[in-house]
Amino acid sequence: EPEVTQTPSHQVTQMGQEVILRCVPISNHLYFYWYRQILGQKVEFLVSFYNNEISEKSEIFDDQFSVERPDGSNFTLKIRSTKLEDSAMYFCASGANTEAFFGQGTRLTVV
Amino acid sequence: AQKVTQAQTEISVVEKEDVTLDCVYETRDTTYYLFWYKQPPSGELVFLIRRNSFDEQNEISGRYSWNFQKSTSSFNFTITASQVVDSAVYFCALSVPNSNSGYALNFGKGTSLLVTP
Repeated sequence: EPEVTQTPSHQVTQMGQEVILRCVPISNHLYFYWYRQILGQKVEFLVSFYNNEISEKSEIFDDQFSVERPDGSNFTLKIRSTKLEDSAMYFCASGANTEAFFGQGTRLTVV
Repeated sequence: AQKVTQAQTEISVVEKEDVTLDCVYETRDTTYYLFWYKQPPSGELVFLIRRNSFDEQNEISGRYSWNFQKSTSSFNFTITASQVVDSAVYFCALSVPNSNSGYALNFGKGTSLLVTP
């Protein structure tokens, strides 16, 4: 069964460093998303990507964040100059229509 | 504005009990979708069900059932004869479709369900 895969599963980075979180969505899907879940809190929408561009973003998704789909298969989230409060689980999701199927997440720890 | 409220933060039941997880939503849109996701201790988000705003028919899938009532803006989830493996955090979510931006999900805060033997 097709699934969304994310790498790495866990990343530790120093404050101020840049990180890139990687995702391979399900191949025939059209919509791609990043969500964030701070430990013990709810899942929060960051950004949606459709037709090779950002289609919607939340207030959380500020200039520190960027997304790319560089080669038609991977979908990346870049966080520039990480802060302690960026520590969270980051979920990639993709969908062909109304459903969103999530990857297993990348746990980002900023120290 | 959209909002999803899961008033129950934690629920603890004994195995084989039935349990209902509440979800109340707010939206001004007439077309929307409601979802339930399960997050087991391993952390992934597992899709359980989607309903659209025009289909109030309740749904049953094995031990799971969902009660959608537009009159009360609720989309409640019942697990019958609960099992230890049902222990997880359950999230209710709402999306308002946008053909350009897709179906971004607005999640509730989740209900943590603990099923003990």
